[in-house]
Amino acid sequence: DVKVTQSSRYLVKRTGEKVFLECVQDMDHENMFWYRQDPGLGLRLIYFSYDVKMKEKGDIPEGYSVSREKKERFSLILESASTNQTSMYLCASSLSGRLAGSTDTQYFGPGTRLTVL
Amino acid sequence: QQPVQSPQAVILREGEDAVINCSSSKALYSVHWYRQKHGEAPVFLMILLKGGEQKGHDKISASFNEKKQQSSLYLTASQLSYSGTYFCGTEGRAQKLVFGQGTRLTINP
Repeated sequence: DVKVTQSSRYLVKRTGEKVFLECVQDMDHENMFWYRQDPGLGLRLIYFSYDVKMKEKGDIPEGYSVSREKKERFSLILESASTNQTSMYLCASSLSGRLAGSTDTQYFGPGTRLTVL
Repeated sequence: QQPVQSPQAVILREGEDAVINCSSSKALYSVHWYRQKHGEAPVFLMILLKGGEQKGHDKISASFNEKKQQSSLYLTASQLSYSGTYFCGTEGRAQKLVFGQGTRLTINP
Protein backbone atom coordinates (compact mmCIF):
# COMPACT_ATOMS: atom_id res chain seq x y z
CA ASP A 1 0.00 0.00 0.00
CA VAL A 2 1.07 3.53 -0.72
CA LYS A 3 1.90 5.41 2.40
CA VAL A 4 2.10 9.16 2.70
CA THR A 5 3.14 10.46 6.08
CA GLN A 6 3.19 13.98 7.44
CA SER A 7 5.45 15.06 10.25
CA SER A 8 2.78 16.35 12.62
CA ARG A 9 -0.97 15.92 13.03
CA TYR A 10 -1.33 19.13 15.03
CA LEU A 11 0.90 22.18 15.16
CA VAL A 12 0.54 25.49 16.98
CA LYS A 13 2.77 28.38 15.98
CA ARG A 14 2.94 32.10 16.62
CA THR A 15 2.57 34.85 14.07
CA GLY A 16 5.86 35.55 12.34
CA GLU A 17 7.42 32.16 13.01
CA LYS A 18 8.96 30.12 10.22
CA VAL A 19 7.06 26.86 9.87
CA PHE A 20 8.13 23.66 8.15
CA LEU A 21 5.64 20.96 7.21
CA GLU A 22 7.19 17.73 6.05
CA CYS A 23 5.75 15.02 3.84
CA VAL A 24 7.25 11.66 2.93
CA GLN A 25 5.95 9.03 0.49
CA ASP A 26 7.29 5.53 0.19
CA MET A 27 6.19 4.48 -3.31
CA ASP A 28 8.72 6.20 -5.54
CA HIS A 29 6.07 8.58 -6.88
CA GLU A 30 7.20 11.35 -9.18
CA ASN A 31 4.53 13.89 -8.28
CA MET A 32 3.92 15.44 -4.89
CA PHE A 33 1.38 18.08 -3.90
CA TRP A 34 0.51 20.40 -1.04
CA TYR A 35 -3.10 21.43 -0.47
CA ARG A 36 -4.86 23.41 2.18
CA GLN A 37 -8.37 22.51 3.20
CA ASP A 38 -10.79 25.05 4.60
CA PRO A 39 -14.50 24.64 5.35
CA GLY A 40 -16.64 25.45 2.32
CA LEU A 41 -13.60 25.87 0.06
CA GLY A 42 -12.57 22.28 -0.47
CA LEU A 43 -8.98 21.41 -1.32
CA ARG A 44 -6.90 24.15 -2.85
CA LEU A 45 -3.53 23.48 -4.42
CA ILE A 46 -0.61 25.45 -3.01
CA TYR A 47 2.38 23.97 -4.84
CA PHE A 48 3.28 20.79 -6.60
CA SER A 49 6.42 19.08 -7.81
CA TYR A 50 6.83 16.58 -10.62
CA ASP A 51 10.50 15.87 -10.05
CA VAL A 52 13.31 16.43 -7.60
CA LYS A 53 14.20 20.12 -7.33
CA MET A 54 11.26 21.00 -9.60
CA LYS A 55 8.28 22.94 -8.36
CA GLU A 56 5.28 24.68 -9.81
CA LYS A 57 2.85 27.11 -8.27
CA GLY A 58 -0.64 25.98 -7.62
CA ASP A 59 -3.69 28.15 -7.20
CA ILE A 60 -2.77 29.82 -3.88
CA PRO A 61 1.05 29.96 -3.57
CA GLU A 62 1.28 33.36 -1.86
CA GLY A 63 2.96 33.17 1.52
CA TYR A 64 4.34 29.68 0.93
CA SER A 65 7.41 28.06 -0.55
CA VAL A 66 8.42 24.44 -1.06
CA SER A 67 11.49 22.29 -1.24
CA ARG A 68 12.06 18.93 -2.83
CA GLU A 69 15.64 17.78 -2.43
CA LYS A 70 14.84 14.06 -2.47
CA LYS A 71 12.21 12.22 -4.46
CA GLU A 72 10.37 10.91 -1.43
CA ARG A 73 10.23 14.16 0.56
CA PHE A 74 8.34 17.38 -0.11
CA SER A 75 8.42 20.23 2.37
CA LEU A 76 6.05 23.17 2.69
CA ILE A 77 7.51 26.30 4.24
CA LEU A 78 5.70 29.25 5.71
CA GLU A 79 8.38 31.91 5.86
CA SER A 80 6.48 34.12 8.29
CA ALA A 81 3.30 32.49 9.53
CA SER A 82 0.15 34.58 9.69
CA THR A 83 -3.22 33.91 11.30
CA ASN A 84 -4.88 33.52 7.88
CA GLN A 85 -2.69 30.48 7.31
CA THR A 86 -4.47 28.60 10.07
CA SER A 87 -5.80 25.59 8.20
CA MET A 88 -5.59 21.87 7.53
CA TYR A 89 -2.67 21.06 5.24
CA LEU A 90 -2.75 17.91 3.15
CA CYS A 91 0.10 16.37 1.26
CA ALA A 92 -0.47 13.98 -1.65
CA SER A 93 1.57 12.02 -4.15
CA SER A 94 0.91 10.35 -7.48
CA LEU A 95 2.92 8.10 -9.73
CA SER A 96 3.17 10.39 -12.74
CA GLY A 97 1.02 12.76 -14.68
CA ARG A 98 2.63 15.11 -17.07
CA LEU A 99 0.29 14.15 -19.92
CA ALA A 100 -3.21 15.50 -19.95
CA GLY A 101 -5.81 12.83 -19.45
CA SER A 102 -3.48 10.50 -17.64
CA THR A 103 -3.40 12.06 -14.22
CA ASP A 104 -2.91 9.24 -11.78
CA THR A 105 -4.62 8.65 -8.49
CA GLN A 106 -3.46 10.94 -5.75
CA TYR A 107 -2.72 9.39 -2.38
CA PHE A 108 -3.18 11.69 0.56
CA GLY A 109 -1.47 11.92 3.90
CA PRO A 110 -3.46 12.29 7.16
CA GLY A 111 -3.05 16.05 7.24
CA THR A 112 -1.51 18.60 9.59
CA ARG A 113 -3.84 20.95 11.39
CA LEU A 114 -1.89 24.18 11.80
CA THR A 115 -3.02 26.90 14.14
CA VAL A 116 -1.25 30.26 13.99
CA LEU A 117 -1.85 32.44 17.04
CA GLN B 1 -11.51 28.02 -11.32
CA GLN B 2 -12.86 25.46 -8.95
CA PRO B 3 -15.59 23.15 -10.21
CA VAL B 4 -18.94 23.63 -8.55
CA GLN B 5 -20.45 20.74 -6.64
CA SER B 6 -24.11 20.36 -5.81
CA PRO B 7 -25.68 19.87 -3.44
CA GLN B 8 -23.40 21.21 -0.72
CA ALA B 9 -24.89 18.80 1.79
CA VAL B 10 -27.41 15.99 1.80
CA ILE B 11 -28.93 13.86 4.54
CA LEU B 12 -30.34 10.45 3.73
CA ARG B 13 -31.73 7.43 5.46
CA GLU B 14 -29.90 4.17 4.97
CA GLY B 15 -31.01 2.53 1.74
CA GLU B 16 -31.85 5.76 -0.10
CA ASP B 17 -30.10 6.93 -3.26
CA ALA B 18 -28.02 10.07 -3.78
CA VAL B 19 -26.59 11.98 -6.73
CA ILE B 20 -23.72 14.43 -6.42
CA ASN B 21 -22.98 16.72 -9.34
CA CYS B 22 -19.75 18.38 -10.40
CA SER B 23 -19.72 21.11 -13.01
CA SER B 24 -16.80 22.96 -14.60
CA SER B 25 -16.57 26.04 -16.78
CA LYS B 26 -13.45 24.66 -18.48
CA ALA B 27 -12.85 21.83 -20.94
CA LEU B 28 -11.93 18.69 -19.03
CA TYR B 29 -9.64 15.74 -19.68
CA SER B 30 -10.69 13.76 -16.66
CA VAL B 31 -12.69 13.85 -13.47
CA HIS B 32 -11.65 12.20 -10.21
CA TRP B 33 -13.85 11.41 -7.24
CA TYR B 34 -12.63 11.17 -3.65
CA ARG B 35 -14.32 10.56 -0.31
CA GLN B 36 -13.09 11.92 2.99
CA LYS B 37 -14.38 10.63 6.28
CA HIS B 38 -14.23 12.91 9.28
CA GLY B 39 -10.67 13.23 10.58
CA GLU B 40 -9.21 11.10 7.82
CA ALA B 41 -7.39 11.62 4.53
CA PRO B 42 -9.34 11.77 1.27
CA VAL B 43 -9.50 8.38 -0.42
CA PHE B 44 -9.71 7.81 -4.15
CA LEU B 45 -12.96 6.39 -5.54
CA MET B 46 -12.62 6.50 -9.31
CA ILE B 47 -11.32 8.35 -12.38
CA LEU B 48 -13.38 9.09 -15.48
CA LEU B 49 -11.41 9.92 -18.59
CA LYS B 50 -12.37 11.97 -21.61
CA GLY B 51 -14.69 9.89 -23.74
CA GLY B 52 -17.94 10.20 -21.83
CA GLU B 53 -17.57 6.96 -19.97
CA GLN B 54 -19.39 5.66 -16.98
CA LYS B 55 -17.74 3.67 -14.25
CA GLY B 56 -18.75 2.06 -11.05
CA HIS B 57 -18.00 -0.44 -8.39
CA ASP B 58 -20.33 -1.92 -5.84
CA LYS B 59 -23.18 0.57 -5.52
CA ILE B 60 -21.18 3.68 -6.35
CA SER B 61 -20.95 4.75 -9.97
CA ALA B 62 -20.21 7.91 -11.91
CA SER B 63 -20.67 9.42 -15.33
CA PHE B 64 -18.74 12.07 -17.25
CA ASN B 65 -20.26 14.23 -19.95
CA GLU B 66 -17.30 16.02 -21.50
CA LYS B 67 -19.45 18.18 -23.77
CA LYS B 68 -21.28 19.60 -20.79
CA GLN B 69 -18.12 19.52 -18.65
CA GLN B 70 -20.08 17.74 -15.95
CA SER B 71 -19.76 14.62 -13.89
CA SER B 72 -22.20 12.96 -11.53
CA LEU B 73 -21.59 10.48 -8.74
CA TYR B 74 -24.39 8.02 -7.99
CA LEU B 75 -24.72 6.25 -4.66
CA THR B 76 -27.34 3.53 -4.71
CA ALA B 77 -28.97 1.99 -1.65
CA SER B 78 -26.69 4.02 0.58
CA GLN B 79 -24.99 2.43 3.57
CA LEU B 80 -23.86 4.04 6.80
CA SER B 81 -20.27 3.66 5.61
CA TYR B 82 -20.96 6.04 2.71
CA SER B 83 -21.09 9.01 5.06
CA GLY B 84 -18.38 11.58 4.47
CA THR B 85 -17.48 14.49 2.26
CA TYR B 86 -17.20 13.81 -1.45
CA PHE B 87 -14.88 15.83 -3.66
CA CYS B 88 -14.60 15.94 -7.39
CA GLY B 89 -11.26 16.87 -8.89
CA THR B 90 -11.18 18.08 -12.47
CA GLU B 91 -8.21 17.99 -14.79
CA GLY B 92 -8.01 20.60 -17.52
CA ARG B 93 -5.19 21.85 -19.72
CA ALA B 94 -3.05 22.76 -16.74
CA GLN B 95 -2.56 19.03 -16.06
CA LYS B 96 -3.30 19.32 -12.41
CA LEU B 97 -6.39 18.57 -10.40
CA VAL B 98 -8.66 21.33 -9.19
CA PHE B 99 -11.03 20.18 -6.48
CA GLY B 100 -14.56 21.29 -5.82
CA GLN B 101 -15.72 22.59 -2.49
CA GLY B 102 -17.08 19.21 -1.42
CA THR B 103 -20.49 17.67 -0.72
CA ARG B 104 -21.17 16.47 2.80
CA LEU B 105 -23.21 13.27 2.81
CA THR B 106 -24.82 12.07 6.05
CA ILE B 107 -26.48 8.67 6.18
CA ASN B 108 -28.77 8.01 9.12
CA PRO B 109 -30.03 4.60 10.22
